[in-house]
Amino acid sequence: KNQVEQSPQSLIILEGKNCTLQCNYTVSPFSNLRWYKQDTGRGPVSLTIMTFSENTKSNGRYTATLDADTKQSSLHITASQLSDSASYICVVLPCGGDSNYQLIWGAGTKLIIKP
Amino acid sequence: SQTIHQWPATLVQPVGSPLSLECTVEGTSNPNLYWYRQAAGRGLQLLFYSVGIGQISSEVPQNLSASRPQDRQFILSSKKLLLSDSGFYLCAKEGEVYGYTFGSGTRLTVV
Repeated sequence: KNQVEQSPQSLIILEGKNCTLQCNYTVSPFSNLRWYKQDTGRGPVSLTIMTFSENTKSNGRYTATLDADTKQSSLHITASQLSDSASYICVVLPCGGDSNYQLIWGAGTKLIIKP
Repeated sequence: SQTIHQWPATLVQPVGSPLSLECTVEGTSNPNLYWYRQAAGRGLQLLFYSVGIGQISSEVPQNLSASRPQDRQFILSSKKLLLSDSGFYLCAKEGEVYGYTFGSGTRLTVV
């Protein structure tokens, strides 16, 4: 069964610190892997999209990595800010999926940044 | 999102009452549109998707239905709400190069 699992479920760090969120998936083969940021009560916003052949992709202070051999992805946040408090969701599109209706969503990691 | 409009933002409805959530989008014509539900602590669950006017595909059998009467309008409905219909409902438009744009969502509480 295709699954996407994220860890930790929640994380609290101090402002200015770095953190890394993990995503393990069983989807194989897959077309692309995405990370979204979702503020409370809002819709998710795309951070990064990586195809199966990419190892890393950055978006400002956000850097996503992908290891297709171990089926793991991570999202690293540098110099965290209070506005980074949100849920971060890992999403995988299986290979052969030609539309977003086949996306497999993780449950997300809730990140809280404290001053 | 500026290109997807969802309303209302919050809604409290009694069990057994009807439901109508509307989503309108701007931008390119004939977009692929999606309705998702998000329960607390769970991943997004795809409910319906539409590739064009009058074309609806359902992913999960349930108490809900969807319609697309116009190219840029997507409606989620129910004739009789259940307690289990409570959740955060999101409309999404398929963007260019693998992207989604989400609406701001509707928080539905069935009491």
